[in-house]
Amino acid sequence: DADVTQTPRNRITKTGKRIMLECSQTKGHDRMYWYRQDPGLGLRLIYYSFDVKDINKGEISDGYSVSRQAQAKFSLSLESAIPNQTALYFCATSDFSGSAGDTQYFGPGTRLTVL
Amino acid sequence: RKEVEQDPGPFNVPEGATVAFNCTYSNSASQSFFWYRQDCRKEPKLLMSVYSSGNEDGRFTAQLNRASQYISLLIRDSKLSDSATYLCVVNVATGGFKTIFGAGTRLFVKA
Repeated sequence: DADVTQTPRNRITKTGKRIMLECSQTKGHDRMYWYRQDPGLGLRLIYYSFDVKDINKGEISDGYSVSRQAQAKFSLSLESAIPNQTALYFCATSDFSGSAGDTQYFGPGTRLTVL
Repeated sequence: RKEVEQDPGPFNVPEGATVAFNCTYSNSASQSFFWYRQDCRKEPKLLMSVYSSGNEDGRFTAQLNRASQYISLLIRDSKLSDSATYLCVVNVATGGFKTIFGAGTRLFVKA
């Protein structure tokens, strides 16, 4: 079984709809992240959480919100989806080790299309 | 200026070729460095960490030059299966801790 899972894997929705993307992990990591990826722009951080009580905005948090329901679960919501939120969304986890840095493990991604 | 910059490519090389990817970073507080590989429509996966002394894993060699703020990845004897996008990744510790991904360099290895 995959260590980091995302649901749904694909979603098509309409402008103005509320959408929730879910992420679960079995790696036991404290840190979880949500990224979006657009062609030519690479990965951009939306939100991150270093433990259950910690939520932080990333570089592109406008239009998004998150919930860290448990160590293993981190969900991303689009309150009112708009077409420019069409992208590939990745959840990731990490277990920061000072000397070795912060290696991230990604879920398979959710392809979201907003019409 | 982007904090982590890579040549976007694409690099088109024949099987067996040696190919080198370059990456520069702008923040001198960068502490840890990595190369990730991403196949088309798949998630990024860690390829290797990059250490100051340089490190090698089979056909892959990574180098770090802190003075020039430059990281490289060398792939020898390219295989068709090496075709992917290679992401340069940097951990920065200033006023917190963050991980920054380069936009990636795309590699096509052809028979």
